[in-house]
Amino acid sequence: GAVVSQHPSWVICKSGTSVKIECRSLDFQATTMFWYRQFPKQSLMLMATSNEGSKATYEQGVEKDKFLINHASLTLSTLTVTSAHPEDSSFYICSATLKGGTNEKLFFGSGTQLSVL
Amino acid sequence: AQKVTQAQTEISVVEKEDVTLDCVYETRDTTYYLFWYKQPPSGELVFLIRRNSFDEQNEISGRYSWNFQKSTSSFNFTITASQVVDSAVYFCALSGIGTYKYIFGTGTRLKVLA
Repeated sequence: GAVVSQHPSWVICKSGTSVKIECRSLDFQATTMFWYRQFPKQSLMLMATSNEGSKATYEQGVEKDKFLINHASLTLSTLTVTSAHPEDSSFYICSATLKGGTNEKLFFGSGTQLSVL
Repeated sequence: AQKVTQAQTEISVVEKEDVTLDCVYETRDTTYYLFWYKQPPSGELVFLIRRNSFDEQNEISGRYSWNFQKSTSSFNFTITASQVVDSAVYFCALSGIGTYKYIFGTGTRLKVLA
């Protein structure tokens, strides 16, 4: 089945630094990837939709200058948390859908736990 | 507005017991998809099932079964003869046809005790 790889699995950083998270579709091309954020014991909230070769679409309330998304190829999307602060600490998870497919299902990465000190 | 409610925050059962996880949804769309995902402690989301709104036939897959009741806007998930490996957080999700925006419920944490 389709596999989505997310790296790193966890990261600890100092406040004010930037952190980059990678999401790769390993065995399929993904024109669209999605970034979710999950607080402890809470649901997944869609942050943005990442489209290959174009600007990401952000959900209401998500700061696009804070969470930079780049989808440079059909197999890679990156999320950069700029000038991270403790309130950015969260579990970030990406997902992708098959190129040309319907929204039958999303394939999710294993997530990244970000802890900002 | 679309909304998914999983009223059960946490459930604990003893191994081999049957357990049902509830999911109630709200949508104005006439056609839509419903999903169940499993999130084990490792964090990744594992796809379990997708159901079209126009297909109310219940489905069984091994120890898993799903009961879709459009009249009550519910899509419940039953695990028969639960096992410790079933311990995870289970999410119910809703999306419109042609959109990839999934609306997730808050999840139900299932603990299966040996």
